[in-house]
Amino acid sequence: KNEVEQSPQNLTAQEGEFITINCSYSVGISALHWLQQHPGGGIVSLFMLSSGKKKHGRLIATINIQEKHSSLHITASHPRDSAVYICAVNTGNQFYFGTGTSLTVIP
Amino acid sequence: EPEVTQTPSHQVTQMGQEVILRCVPISNHLYFYWYRQILGQKVEFLVSFYNNEISEKSEIFDDQFSVERPDGSNFTLKIRSTKLEDSAMYFCASHLNYGYTFGSGTRLTVV
Repeated sequence: KNEVEQSPQNLTAQEGEFITINCSYSVGISALHWLQQHPGGGIVSLFMLSSGKKKHGRLIATINIQEKHSSLHITASHPRDSAVYICAVNTGNQFYFGTGTSLTVIP
Repeated sequence: EPEVTQTPSHQVTQMGQEVILRCVPISNHLYFYWYRQILGQKVEFLVSFYNNEISEKSEIFDDQFSVERPDGSNFTLKIRSTKLEDSAMYFCASHLNYGYTFGSGTRLTVV
């Protein structure tokens, strides 16, 4: 049983395209995180959100608590955005991670 | 920008040996975490630590695991008797209010 489901699993885009990665979860949460994992394995926290929408540069994250769904959008994608994007939820007691979306942006 | 530092970056150990993975969280952060990622699998939560004690732990974090903040700066994860299946990348993270900062990880290989 996966508490966090992400889609798509893999995504290839042309440079400049608008990208959306989706995350659905089945548990009650106190916060949802979007993380970026680079090929070397390092993890960077992109967003932590519990409601509404956050924007940082070309990245936008939204969450709909009622629908238990979040999206990560990348505008004007660039090859340096190529990474695995991971959705994770904090239930207050536990963290659950999605399996990640592997994004490749082609020049 | 402040960083979470993990050492060593790679550790190889024999099955049955004890290992200690070290992390230096960001100095004013209050919450500390260990996660692991077995190669090719998703990240898994191990334990959270606040106010010098474990606040939550997962089923993975059994009696073989322990955490300590021995000197107010380091945050360590000890595995008492390593098993082959403990081979993974171990990430430390810390946070205060908003956002988490992750360390670059320690790759543990048990042979």
